[in-house]
Amino acid sequence: QKEVEQNSGPLSVPEGAIASLNCTYSDRGSQSFFWYRQYSGKSPELIMFIYSNGDKEDGRFTAQLNKASQYVSLLIRDSQPSDSATYLCAVGQNFVFGPGTRLSVLP
Amino acid sequence: DTEVTQTPKHLVMGMTNKKSLKCEQHMGHRAMYWYKQKAKKPPELMFVYSYEKLSINESVPSRFSPECPNSSLLNLHLHALQPEDSALYLCASSQGITGVGYEQYFGPGTRLTVT
Repeated sequence: QKEVEQNSGPLSVPEGAIASLNCTYSDRGSQSFFWYRQYSGKSPELIMFIYSNGDKEDGRFTAQLNKASQYVSLLIRDSQPSDSATYLCAVGQNFVFGPGTRLSVLP
Repeated sequence: DTEVTQTPKHLVMGMTNKKSLKCEQHMGHRAMYWYKQKAKKPPELMFVYSYEKLSINESVPSRFSPECPNSSLLNLHLHALQPEDSALYLCASSQGITGVGYEQYFGPGTRLTVT
C-alpha cells in the first residue's frame, strides 16, 4: 500500500523562526510532490510543488526533495501567525495525502 | 486563474432525501476529483474522472453517484445517506492524471450534514 507519512504535530515555532515540515513516502516510483496549506474549515490550497531532486524556492517557502531517501520537506522562513494551519503533503499522480502537520506560529 | 467552484457551500439533508453537489472549473483541466474530508483528517479520494470517463472509484458506497456531464462539470448525487456521511466534500481538478506536471487545485468544498 502506498503511504505518505507526516508528523501530526502540533509543531510550534515563534514568529520569525523557520518552520520545517517533513514528509516521507513509500512508493519509490513517485515523481510528483505537493504541499498544501489548509486553514480550519477551509479547503486545501496548493502552495508548492516539486518534481526534481533538490530545492525549489518561492518567496518564504522552500520545498526540498530527496528521492533516494524518499522524503520531501517544506521550509517556511520568517514564520508569521498567519502561517498557522495544517500542512498536507501529497505524493504521486494519484495525489496520496499524508495525515497533515498542524503548525502553530506563536506571536 | 486556478478557480474551482462548488455549490452549495452548505447542505443539510435527511437520510431519505436526494440531493446533488456541483463542481465547475474553466481551466481546461481534463481530470476532476471528488474527495471526502472528516475533521482533523486528510482528504480521502472517492472518484476520479479523466476525459469525462470514470477512472477511479475508491470502493465508495452506491449511495454516492458521480456524474461528469462535460469536461467542466462534475456532480455528486446523494441518496439515502447516513449521519456518518456528514463531512466536507471537496472537488478538485488537474490537467491530467498521468505524468509529471499536473498540479491539483481544490474548490472551497460543500459542508454536508446528514440528519
